[in-house]
Amino acid sequence: NAGVTQTPKFQVLKTGQSMTLQCAQDMNHEYMSWYRQDPGMGLRLIHYSVGAGITDQGEVPNGYNVSRSTTEDFPLRLLSAAPSQTSVYFCASSYSGGILYEQYFGPGTRLTVT
Amino acid sequence: DQQVKQNSPSLSVQEGRISILNCDYTNSMFDYFLWYKKYPAEGPTFLISISSIKDKNEDGRFTVFLNKSAKHLSLHIVPSQPGDSAVYFCAASDNSGSSNTGKLIFGQGTTLQVKP
Repeated sequence: NAGVTQTPKFQVLKTGQSMTLQCAQDMNHEYMSWYRQDPGMGLRLIHYSVGAGITDQGEVPNGYNVSRSTTEDFPLRLLSAAPSQTSVYFCASSYSGGILYEQYFGPGTRLTVT
Repeated sequence: DQQVKQNSPSLSVQEGRISILNCDYTNSMFDYFLWYKKYPAEGPTFLISISSIKDKNEDGRFTVFLNKSAKHLSLHIVPSQPGDSAVYFCAASDNSGSSNTGKLIFGQGTTLQVKP
């Protein structure tokens, strides 16, 4: 199993540009989520999904869109990038049952908005 | 309003000694707590967890203690090894609502350095 994969690893955007961060998992996990990590802030939940076709907002959803058309993929869209979105983004997944909270994280995407 | 706090940004210990990482929370409805470990340029990896109905959980060198009355949990690593040097995040889950969403609230992280 590849686990949770994220692309790209690094990205530089200009203010106002849009882009999609890709996330895929091959573990047949129902639950997927996106976090951002900023210095001194820990990881903050952006959006999450409890299954294909179901998404909901986390703590910091503004400026981001998500969709979940398949169990495997959970892309994160930045609609109009802003310098405040400079961060490291992590995608995570977990089983819907059992020990739900033991989430498996991808390696991250480091995004810089100039 | 930070619901999960790790007040020590960093901790340095000698190899072979005990490392104690602390975490405080404010929401009494949190019912599950986890510790994650993160190396540079990698995603966090799950380390150990504890349910709010327990006060201790042990896995090899790692033990998590939960004090619900104080809203405090700690991670003990004994003995500490240089490979344990990483950032440690505590996280909490609130499932007091109608559905089990698995949403986690993370602390800011503590950087542990274990010196040989």
